[in-house]
Amino acid sequence: EVQLVESGGGLVQPGGSLRLSCAASGFTFSTYWMTWVRQAPGKGLESVANMNPDGSEIHYVDSVKGRFTISRDNAKSSLYLQMNSLRAEDTAVYYCARGGQQRFDFWGQGTLVTVSS
Amino acid sequence: EIVLTQSPGTLSLSPGERATLSCRASQIVTTYLAWYQQKPGQAPRLLIYDASKRATGIPARFSGSGSGTDFTLTISSLEPEDFAVYYCQQRSSWPLTFGGGTKVEI
Repeated sequence: EVQLVESGGGLVQPGGSLRLSCAASGFTFSTYWMTWVRQAPGKGLESVANMNPDGSEIHYVDSVKGRFTISRDNAKSSLYLQMNSLRAEDTAVYYCARGGQQRFDFWGQGTLVTVSS
Repeated sequence: EIVLTQSPGTLSLSPGERATLSCRASQIVTTYLAWYQQKPGQAPRLLIYDASKRATGIPARFSGSGSGTDFTLTISSLEPEDFAVYYCQQRSSWPLTFGGGTKVEI
């Protein structure tokens, strides 16, 4: 059974940092694109960053370029999102999703990031 | 950036009725379009990919059609569990964008 479990969310002050993790199981992690998708409270979905299987191709949405870094550890079947210089507008539930050039066929339950003083 | 516009914003229907949801892309995405269902407090669930292919385990009452810039998700006969928000999403180019959603309410 495919499972994606996010962790690392929480309350952080503006300008602060957080590192999100996504632990994958039930599939061969090292062969899939992976994507972080976020959803602000009461709003729609936004793809934030994604990465190809070997980490050689990465994309970021313009609003997070220079502040967020996506990475993965295929040996640990894990995906990460380092978020620096956080802003109020980064407040959202962050989902880890399998896929990135194809459809997002599996999603984690999400982890809430709240940026507030 | 490819903008996806979904209509209507809200669809008020009764169980057993047919639901027709629309998604229009600002540029051609061929058939690189997916549909997701999201219920309150839950992650989105993939329903349809590549415009018309049902994802694993999705009931046959869900169908997708379209190509180019205009797409439709049809729910042939609404079940109580189908009342939710539906999003379309394109994978033609980064950023992979989503539509604003259509809420299907009772």
